[in-house]
Amino acid sequence: DAMVIQNPRYQVTQFGKPVTLSCSQTLNHNVMYWYQQKSSQAPKLLFHYYDKDFNNEADTPDNFQSRRPNTSFCFLDIRSPGLGDAAMYLCATSREGGHHSYEQYFGPGTRLTVT
Amino acid sequence: GENVEQHPSTLSVQEGDSAVIKCTYSDSASNYFPWYKQELGKRPQLIIDIRSNVGEKKDQRIAVTLNKTAKHFSLHITETQPEDSAVYFCAASMIAGNQFYFGTGTSLTVIP
Repeated sequence: DAMVIQNPRYQVTQFGKPVTLSCSQTLNHNVMYWYQQKSSQAPKLLFHYYDKDFNNEADTPDNFQSRRPNTSFCFLDIRSPGLGDAAMYLCATSREGGHHSYEQYFGPGTRLTVT
Repeated sequence: GENVEQHPSTLSVQEGDSAVIKCTYSDSASNYFPWYKQELGKRPQLIIDIRSNVGEKKDQRIAVTLNKTAKHFSLHITETQPEDSAVYFCAASMIAGNQFYFGTGTSLTVIP
């Protein structure tokens, strides 16, 4: 059974046209993450939610925003995509935080193409 | 933030030989160190992890060692098989903040 689901799997958008990527989870994990992964590179953390608390990485461009309306869903909004934003976007979840860190579960990713 | 370095960036081994990938981290607050395998076009998959209160962990052909003093940890794959060919990422996670920071990846090729 799919545990972390991302939609769509492939997204094509035009330069400057806003786009939203979706992630949902059936694990009831309280932490959700968004990563950007470019070809032959490591996943780069954009931001994460601990419950409703939003945590932005210092070098994440303002062009990227996120919403988490409830435990199950998290969205990545790219307000004005540039050619450099073309990448695989990975959503992940993990359980609890605090003094321990737990395994991350990754979704299949959304490959974004910017034309 | 945390800085994770990973070496080598590429590694080729003969089938049956061992492969070793090494990572270093900068923040002594990191306490959880997972290793991921990523095949082309697929999601990262956790293959083994280790917490800072343990020095070594083994799961069949895969083992991870951690040296907290030196801030480095290593992945060991024994009796490599062609299906082990993939990109491997190490990561470090801090006690507070829930962030995961990835190494730059190692592309492993197992030659039949």
